[in-house]
Amino acid sequence: GAVVSQHPSRVICKSGTSVKIECRSLDFQATTMFWYRQFPKQSLMLMATSNEGSKATYEQGVEKDKFLINHASLTLSTLTVTSAHPEDSSFYICSAPPRTEYGYTFGSGTRLTVV
Amino acid sequence: GDSVTQMEGPVTLSEEAFLTINCTYTATGYPSLFWYVQYPGEGLQLLLKATKADDKGSNKGFEATYRKETTSFHLEKGSVQVSDSAVYFCALSGSTNAGKSTFGDGTTLTVKP
Repeated sequence: GAVVSQHPSRVICKSGTSVKIECRSLDFQATTMFWYRQFPKQSLMLMATSNEGSKATYEQGVEKDKFLINHASLTLSTLTVTSAHPEDSSFYICSAPPRTEYGYTFGSGTRLTVV
Repeated sequence: GDSVTQMEGPVTLSEEAFLTINCTYTATGYPSLFWYVQYPGEGLQLLLKATKADDKGSNKGFEATYRKETTSFHLEKGSVQVSDSAVYFCALSGSTNAGKSTFGDGTTLTVKP
């Protein structure tokens, strides 16, 4: 299959610190990774698209300097929430495009709580 | 742009009841349509999909048919179980949106014994 491993699953951090979230494609190469944010009881909102070997593409309204995205290799994409604040608390999910027409493979998500 | 409109929730049913969650979409081109399920505290899992008009996706007793004429992809199950309690998302990915997915707002289903 196509498995995306996302870590950590939960993280609690202090306001002002930075948190890194990793997504790894375990059995395939992903040149692209989508990063979503989900607020409680709401749908997923696309934040940005990471591209291996080039800069990430951010959706309108997403702060590039706060949400740093790096696609270091064909199997690893990272999202770093810099200088986190309580309003950044959310559920973050990565997704790799399908290798076939079947479906998009999602990571298991990261629950970020900033205190 | 692309959009997905899902039936508002929450939906509460008794075990063995019939389930319908409505989903309609707006998209350019010919999108693929998906239903994803999210259990509490977890990420999304693909439930079923359809890639062209009149295709029927099915999995775990759930079904949905791609209706181009009504731009719909309603999710149905004949007899729900307590374990089906989750949030269900309708989504599309179109040929013109660079591989991105557009999601509906999600519908929370609670099945009571």
